[in-house]
Amino acid sequence: KQEVTQIPAALSVPEGENLVLNCSFTDSAIYNLQWFRQDPGKGLTSLLLIQSSQREQTSGRLNASLDKSSGRSTLYIAASQPGDSATYLCAVRDDKIIFGKGTRLHILP
Amino acid sequence: GAGVSQSPRYKVAKRGQDVALRCDPISGHVSLFWYQQALGQGPEFLTYFQNEAQLDKSGLPSDRFFAERPEGSVSTLKIQRTQQEDSAVYLCASSLSHNSGNTIYFGEGSWLTVV
Repeated sequence: KQEVTQIPAALSVPEGENLVLNCSFTDSAIYNLQWFRQDPGKGLTSLLLIQSSQREQTSGRLNASLDKSSGRSTLYIAASQPGDSATYLCAVRDDKIIFGKGTRLHILP
Repeated sequence: GAGVSQSPRYKVAKRGQDVALRCDPISGHVSLFWYQQALGQGPEFLTYFQNEAQLDKSGLPSDRFFAERPEGSVSTLKIQRTQQEDSAVYLCASSLSHNSGNTIYFGEGSWLTVV
């Protein structure tokens, strides 16, 4: 059974710092991995989608990497801003989409 | 439509009451998913449709939960005889096709509180 783990569960960093969020999964037989952002009281917003054949994807200040063989992904956020404060969820897709519990990120002004 | 739309956004139900949650996927999207998200947890898979066919309902927690998508567009998640443990956010998502490469788009959820 696929399990997705996100570390840390919560993170507070000063504005302007670069940071890394981690995601691990137990079964490497995935089609893709997707990072989402969730604001309080809101649904999920897709940030980056990495296909199983890809190593990384970039969008603006965000960079996501995928090491399928080791079952790991990282989300790198450069030059963090208070508006980046949210919960970040990692999800892997095999037959279904399996989510981690998320990392609650707080950027201190 | 511009995005996945869910209604009602908020629902308070008395224990034992039946509820129906509606999802309008993005126009033309073939695949539709329902997820349940408890407070502080990640979304948990409930069921999946491809057009009107319910291909996977393995995540439905009990036979009180029922989902349908009769015309392959709008979907309804019905919960009968609600219990307090059913309190959660119910998220609907859609994607263009079953192709695993397609991005999944989520609605803002229906927040259910059972009292």
